[in-house]
Amino acid sequence: AQSVTQLDSHVSVSEGTPVLLRCNYSSSYSPSLFWYVQHPNKGLQLLLKYTSAATLVKGINGFEAEFKKSETSFHLTKPSAHMSDAAEYFCVVSLNFGNEKLTFGTGTRLTIIP
Amino acid sequence: DGGITQSPKYLFRKEGQNVTLSCEQNLNHDAMYWYRQDPGQGLRLIYYSQIVNDFQKGDIAEGYSVSREKKESFPLTVTSAQKNPTAFYLCASSITSGSSYEQYFGPGTRLTVT
Repeated sequence: AQSVTQLDSHVSVSEGTPVLLRCNYSSSYSPSLFWYVQHPNKGLQLLLKYTSAATLVKGINGFEAEFKKSETSFHLTKPSAHMSDAAEYFCVVSLNFGNEKLTFGTGTRLTIIP
Repeated sequence: DGGITQSPKYLFRKEGQNVTLSCEQNLNHDAMYWYRQDPGQGLRLIYYSQIVNDFQKGDIAEGYSVSREKKESFPLTVTSAQKNPTAFYLCASSITSGSSYEQYFGPGTRLTVT
């Protein structure tokens, strides 16, 4: 079985300061991990993905995430927050067994303070 | 432009009526998915299909039905048996080969049943 836990339901940061959104996963096998972003009343957009290559993954809009197997974590970071980053972020895990089913975290709402 | 379209964006129905949500993709993806999103929760899988004329139940299939007669289309019917149908519904698609299975999402349909 696989699961994912997003440790914060809501994060607020000031514009220009760093962003950290935390995610821990549980998987019996080597997983693929994703971060998606959702703006209000919109679909989900892929930010970045980890698929057992480099453990530091760079995504769109300046986001990156580091896969740490020993800590079973896949935290999302950005050095400097922008107002347009305000959205809901989902950490997602998938098994690499030809199984396309994804397991979603419950989401972290990111608020940017001007 | 390649992508996934869902229509309509907003849908209103009376309790006891069946309603069908449309999902079309021109990405030439084999697999398609339907998710339900409720406030404060992650996405929950309703049904998925990996090939034409075949589909499987997800985690919350009760009260829903689907068909997959064409590769590009995967309509979802919310039946009167669904006890709490008001939600945001998201359709997605993905490839079914390679090293990762990221899914591409449509813009969603917000269904309100009164």
